[in-house]
Amino acid sequence: QSALTQPASVSGSPGQSITISCTGLSSDVSGYKYVSWYQQHPGKAPKLVISDVTFRPSGVSDRFSGSKSDNTASLTISGLQAEDEADYYCNSYTSSNTPVVFGGGTKLTVL
Amino acid sequence: EVHLVESGGGLVQPGGSLRLSCAASGLTVSGSYLSWVRQAPGKGLEWVSAIYGGGGTYYADSVRGRFTISRDTSKNTLYLQLNSLRAEDTAVYYCANHQPSGSWPMGHWGQGTLVTVSS
Repeated sequence: QSALTQPASVSGSPGQSITISCTGLSSDVSGYKYVSWYQQHPGKAPKLVISDVTFRPSGVSDRFSGSKSDNTASLTISGLQAEDEADYYCNSYTSSNTPVVFGGGTKLTVL
Repeated sequence: EVHLVESGGGLVQPGGSLRLSCAASGLTVSGSYLSWVRQAPGKGLEWVSAIYGGGGTYYADSVRGRFTISRDTSKNTLYLQLNSLRAEDTAVYYCANHQPSGSWPMGHWGQGTLVTVSS
């Protein structure tokens, strides 16, 4: 069971916006405070799309954005496109002896 | 540009061993924070092990005592020694490097290598 909880699936039509949540973060510096998001297409390696809650790496579409409130982080994809259909994972870092944790993943379907 | 290339996967019997390699270019393994992440068929991502630039090593509870992460600076290669393998270790294994920022995101990933544990 993941320490970070995501919905199993979300869906949206082309042009719409969707939001994927990731709960279980901590406001304490010793807990899961920072979050990243990864996109994974079938048969491919994951790709970083958001780091440090809101930072978008070079080359990632500005349709992707991140936010955080209390113990929940969110990934929003606006202007949905067919190519956005993929699995999305949140991930956080902690200074414990198990420093890396992933959420269970969310399958995005573009209708 | 960073490139990570995994190798060493294959079919192994339960209880057997395997060593995975991750050849790196564009970074030095000795100074990098690197992880192994696996994905069982049809399942999500699972962090397995990490090695910090300073040499500290960390493991998921599911593999601690059976897997060992290491690096060879002369070959600029990361390794994962898998011992006492179980059917539930069947997965694609990825290596990834962590970028130095607050969330230590995994900015680069290899293509993965498949480990199948079956008799």
